[in-house]
Amino acid sequence: GAGVSQSPSNKVTEKGKDVELRCDPISGHTALYWYRQSLGQGLEFLIYFQGNSAPDKSGLPSDRFSAERTGGSVSTLTIQRTQQEDSAVYLCASSLTTEQETQYFGPGTRLLVL
Amino acid sequence: DAKTTQPPSMDCAEGRAANLPCNHSTISGNEYVYWYRQIHSQGPQYIIHGLKNNETNEMASLIITEDRKSSTLILPHATLRDTAVYYCIVRLGGNYGQNFVFGPGTRLSVLP
Repeated sequence: GAGVSQSPSNKVTEKGKDVELRCDPISGHTALYWYRQSLGQGLEFLIYFQGNSAPDKSGLPSDRFSAERTGGSVSTLTIQRTQQEDSAVYLCASSLTTEQETQYFGPGTRLLVL
Repeated sequence: DAKTTQPPSMDCAEGRAANLPCNHSTISGNEYVYWYRQIHSQGPQYIIHGLKNNETNEMASLIITEDRKSSTLILPHATLRDTAVYYCIVRLGGNYGQNFVFGPGTRLSVLP
């Protein structure tokens, strides 16, 4: 079956522009996570969706960042008024609601803000 | 902050076993040990996880000490394609909505 997919795979934008990143989780997975990874760094948690519950937004670095998940499946991460420090790889992961909650990651979107 | 410590880098000869250590001295009784790896320019890939018993799958073996304060990931016959950053993570099981905290990991280089 298909894994987690993300689009676009690469995005170059100008400072101040808005960007939208998309994540398609594995079918049937109710939990969805967004992370970002700056060059040479570990993963930084951004936001978490679980079913119809209110998302855990505790990792969002500023109010320029937001995310939504429509119909419990596809998620969009939006960054408004992008800054150069937003340049990173944005990773999406999904998991079943099981005791172990193994997360399966997508290939990521590489964002470059000029 | 990550609750695990790993050596920053390791080398392993191709065909030999790679043994990657991880210390998690503050692990609580209901936290699992997970291992992921990230090959350059790709998303993290799940390898294996366990609670207290040793685990084995088609990719690797996980050895957890009896006191659960450390573990070792074993790749029995490392290949060049196993060159990656390996992350050891501890987290609660169950639907707690807890995110994965990734530390810097161990950069494994498999040498020909």
